[in-house]
Amino acid sequence: SYVLTQPPSVSVAPGQTARIPCGGNNIGSKSVHWYQQKPGQAPVLVVYDDSDRPSGIPERFSGSNSGNTATLTISRVEAGDEADYYCQVWDSSGHHVVFGGGTKLTVL
Amino acid sequence: EVQLVESGGGLVKPGGSLRLSCAASGFTLSSYNINWVRQAPGKGLEWGSSISSSSSYIYYADSVKGRFTISRDNARNSLYLQMNSLRAEDTAVYYCARGAGATPVDGFDIWGQGTMVTVSS
Repeated sequence: SYVLTQPPSVSVAPGQTARIPCGGNNIGSKSVHWYQQKPGQAPVLVVYDDSDRPSGIPERFSGSNSGNTATLTISRVEAGDEADYYCQVWDSSGHHVVFGGGTKLTVL
Repeated sequence: EVQLVESGGGLVKPGGSLRLSCAASGFTLSSYNINWVRQAPGKGLEWGSSISSSSSYIYYADSVKGRFTISRDNARNSLYLQMNSLRAEDTAVYYCARGAGATPVDGFDIWGQGTMVTVSS
């Protein structure tokens, strides 16, 4: 089955840029979606189809996808960005939705 | 307001059954693919099941296949997850989530607030 690998944690100072990787075999051939989840809340879609943003999501959130790694980039990080972030793809061979294990973003 | 609301969670003994419901408001449920995603306490997101708008396709994660059944009643604007043979490892918050597009490739743009299922003797 298809596996997505994320680092458990990423730390960044306010105002800096956070990059959260999501690794998968030839993930560049898939559409990757990213979710933000704050404690006690439901996930929120922040990037879809690799690099598009839903309405209401700040331009500071962006995504890229190539080769074996997709990346969520958060520019000018704010304290309110502290959350868990999950990547997700559709595994067409197994007919499964796959989530990465999640990355906890800490704003120092 | 566009939203999904889950209900039906609770405490159930191992081997028991529970039926979760997902109600939509602010949009027509019948036009969208819907998914169930769960999250065990302190753990990450785990996909459970997906159903297309017309029920033409239904998919299950290996961990629930044969025990859980997803269905929908478009006339009632509702979706269901029948869970049988429940195990302790099924303990989680269960979310229903709307597919953003017409295919299973698409992300999930609207999520409910979740309903807690606890399987314990």
